[in-house]
Amino acid sequence: GQNIDQPTEMTATEGAIVQINCTYQTSGFNGLFWYQQHAGEAPTFLSYNVLDGLEEKGRFSSFLSRSKGYSYLLLKELQMKDSASYLCAVMDSNYQLIWGAGTKLIIKP
Amino acid sequence: GAVVSQHPSRVICKSGTSVKIECRSLDFQATTMFWYRQFPKKSLMLMATSNEGSKATYEQGVEKDKFLINHASLTLSTLTVTSAHPEDSSFYICSARGGLRDYEQYFGPGTRLTVT
Repeated sequence: GQNIDQPTEMTATEGAIVQINCTYQTSGFNGLFWYQQHAGEAPTFLSYNVLDGLEEKGRFSSFLSRSKGYSYLLLKELQMKDSASYLCAVMDSNYQLIWGAGTKLIIKP
Repeated sequence: GAVVSQHPSRVICKSGTSVKIECRSLDFQATTMFWYRQFPKKSLMLMATSNEGSKATYEQGVEKDKFLINHASLTLSTLTVTSAHPEDSSFYICSARGGLRDYEQYFGPGTRLTVT
């Protein structure tokens, strides 16, 4: 079966760095996405990785290792507004998105 | 960037009535639209995928007669919850694909449905 695993909840301090991991087992691979979702709102796109390596975009970076079925989202200089759920999703061979359950990130002052 | 709108944002209806939710891609043609529902503190659950001009493909366990999906044009898809019951209360989110970055799904703001 297809499976996306990510931690349920993480806590970090304002100004610090946090890494949210995601491992996956899917039928085929056409890219991995990270979305941010604030409570009561729809997800917003953060990043897309289809090749191995690190993609940096401001305070957020996303890493992919296809051989290990592994990705992480790295958030630097954490701000209170970064408190949200972070969803990992993989596009399978049918171009369908398989969603993880999301990681709730709590930022403390 | 690509914008998707959803209407209404919130709706309260009585048990047994039907509710229609609209999803529009405002500045691009959406070749594919997706409908999700999300329960509190849970991840997105794909309900169905629709391509313009063809019947929607429903996920296992989703009743096609209860959740009617119409993708009439490249910019509009509708989800109608028929004979709604309290257990249909949920957050319904649409997304669309077909912008410049074809791999990306652009999400609407969601519709909070409460059935009393």
